[in-house]
Amino acid sequence: GIQVEQSPPDLILQEGANSTLRCNFSDSVNNLQWFHQNPWGQLINLFYIPSGTKQNGRLSATTVATERYSLLYISSSQTTDSGVYFCAVGEYNFNKFYFGSGTKLNVKP
Amino acid sequence: EAGVTQFPSHSVIEKGQTVTLRCDPISGHDNLYWYRRVMGKEIKFLLHFVKESKQDESGMPNNRFLAERTGGTYSTLKVQPAELEDSGVYFCASRLTGGPANYGYTFGSGTRLTVV
Repeated sequence: GIQVEQSPPDLILQEGANSTLRCNFSDSVNNLQWFHQNPWGQLINLFYIPSGTKQNGRLSATTVATERYSLLYISSSQTTDSGVYFCAVGEYNFNKFYFGSGTKLNVKP
Repeated sequence: EAGVTQFPSHSVIEKGQTVTLRCDPISGHDNLYWYRRVMGKEIKFLLHFVKESKQDESGMPNNRFLAERTGGTYSTLKVQPAELEDSGVYFCASRLTGGPANYGYTFGSGTRLTVV
């Protein structure tokens, strides 16, 4: 299967700071999603981004498929951004996803 | 539209007992997936239904796990008998084949299973 590595594993930020989360993957992918697992355990879909760049409010993501990485940018972080961010990739059209181990983000007030 | 719904949200059972988890996908979604995260490790794929058929069940850990999707609507995942290492969070996701290009999986809130 595809190996997915996320970095950093842990991140502590002061409210208002910016951050970049990285996802490297070992093989060509046809789909990639970023998820946020909030403190209640819910997995929230942030971006479906197999390539290119997308923005949604304070969050944006870029995937460079040819170089096998994706970046998630969080600007002006808020305490509600805390939780675990997962990157998930898939080889074929929406068959199984391979998840990274996640980046645990703690935003302090 | 309602999202992916999972029941129960939490379950605590004793080793050796049976537990059945349920997932109601988004109405009309033909693809349904089960994943789980155990012991704080990465989230791993269990299986994939297309309508009522098992498309890929390569992630099912052993024969104590049985998944069904009768009628191609909701799905159940039964663990019998449960073992301590089955503790974790079980996620369900659904997707519509041929859905919008910017649309991926939608996950449910998960069922937290604790085996004691």
